[in-house]
This record gives sequence, structure tokens and C-alpha cells, in this order.
Amino acid sequence: EAQLVESGGDLVQPGRSLRLSCTTSGFNFGDYAVSWFRQAPGKGLEWISFIRSKPYGGTTNYAASVKGRFTISRDDSKSIAYLQMNSLETEDTAVYYCSSGRFYTFWGQGTLVTVSS
Amino acid sequence: DIQMTQSPSSLSASEGDRVTITCQASQGIRNYLNWYQQKPGRAPVLLIYDASNLETGVPSRFSGRGSGTDFILTISSLQPEDTATYYCLQYDSFPYTFGQGTKLEIK
Repeated sequence: EAQLVESGGDLVQPGRSLRLSCTTSGFNFGDYAVSWFRQAPGKGLEWISFIRSKPYGGTTNYAASVKGRFTISRDDSKSIAYLQMNSLETEDTAVYYCSSGRFYTFWGQGTLVTVSS
Repeated sequence: DIQMTQSPSSLSASEGDRVTITCQASQGIRNYLNWYQQKPGRAPVLLIYDASNLETGVPSRFSGRGSGTDFILTISSLQPEDTATYYCLQYDSFPYTFGQGTKLEIK
């Protein structure tokens, strides 16, 4: 059974950095792209970042709201994806989810990031 | 960016009712559309992928259809456990975009 577990969420001050991890098991992680999504309190879902599998170049895409501040990466040897978040803003407060699988079938339970002074 | 217009934003229906939720894309997205169900405090759960394919383990009362710009999610006979918020997601092109969500409650 596929499992994704996000970790690294925390309460941080504006302008600080945080790195989220998405630890996976139960499927061939290296075969699939990974996306990060987020959901601000009481709001809808938002896609923020994507990384292709290595066979497809491992290239990345970002939402305009995070481009230049967030960096997605992957370590296929550990079946983990990361989201490095720099220059955090209060608007980045949200539950962050990672997702993978052929049709974004698999999702983690989410990790809460709170950006506040 | 592709805008996904989802309607209605909320819906109240009775057990056993047939319910439809629509998503309209601002430009053609072929069939690259998923439907998700999300319950409070939980991660989204994939119901339908590629517009019309039922994800494994999802009850057959859920179905999806459409292609291009217009898509429909149907629940053929509403059950109490279907109370949730439903989202469509287009993944034809970046940035991926969601509909605004439909909050479904049982009368």
C-alpha cells in the first residue's frame, strides 16, 4: 500500500525558511512525478510545485505565488521529496500536501506551516 | 492560466438523490481532469481520473464524464458518507488549477 508522510511543518516568523519532507513507501517512487499542494485555513486547494521523474529529466515547475522562493527536489535513493521554502510570508500559512502516483492518486496527510510573528 | 469554474459552490440533497457537479475550463484541457473528495481535516481522495475513470476502490455510484472544457461529476444515489467538499483539478498544463470546490451536505 502506498504511503506518503509529510513532515517539517512548524510555526515560523516571516522571512524565515523551512524545509518540508515527503517520505514515501509502497510504490516505485522513482517512476513518478511529485507535486506539492497547499490549503490555507478555510480555503480551497492550490497547486504550488512539481518535479518530474528522473527518466523525464527531473525538471520542475512552480506556481507564480512561490516561484523564486520555494524549491522542490527529490532523492530517489531514499524515496523522499523535499520542498525548501525561503522568505516565508504570512500568506504561506497552510496545510501542505505532497502527492504522487500516475494520476496523483497518492496523498500524504499534510503538514501545517504557520507563518506569523 | 486555465481557470476552472466549478458549480454549484454548495449543495444540499437527500439520501438517494442523484447529484451533479460541474467544472468548466477556460480553455480546452483534453481529458486531464481529476475529481477529489475532501472531508474536514483530511487529505483529498481521488475519485475520478482522466475525466471519466473510476479510481480503484471508489464506489460505483461516482462517475465522471466530459472532455475539452466541460466536465461533470455525478453521484447516482447519495449516501450519508458522501458529505464532503468536492474539487476538480486540471493537470493539462501548468499551473495546475482547481475548481473552487463544492460543499455537499445531506438534508
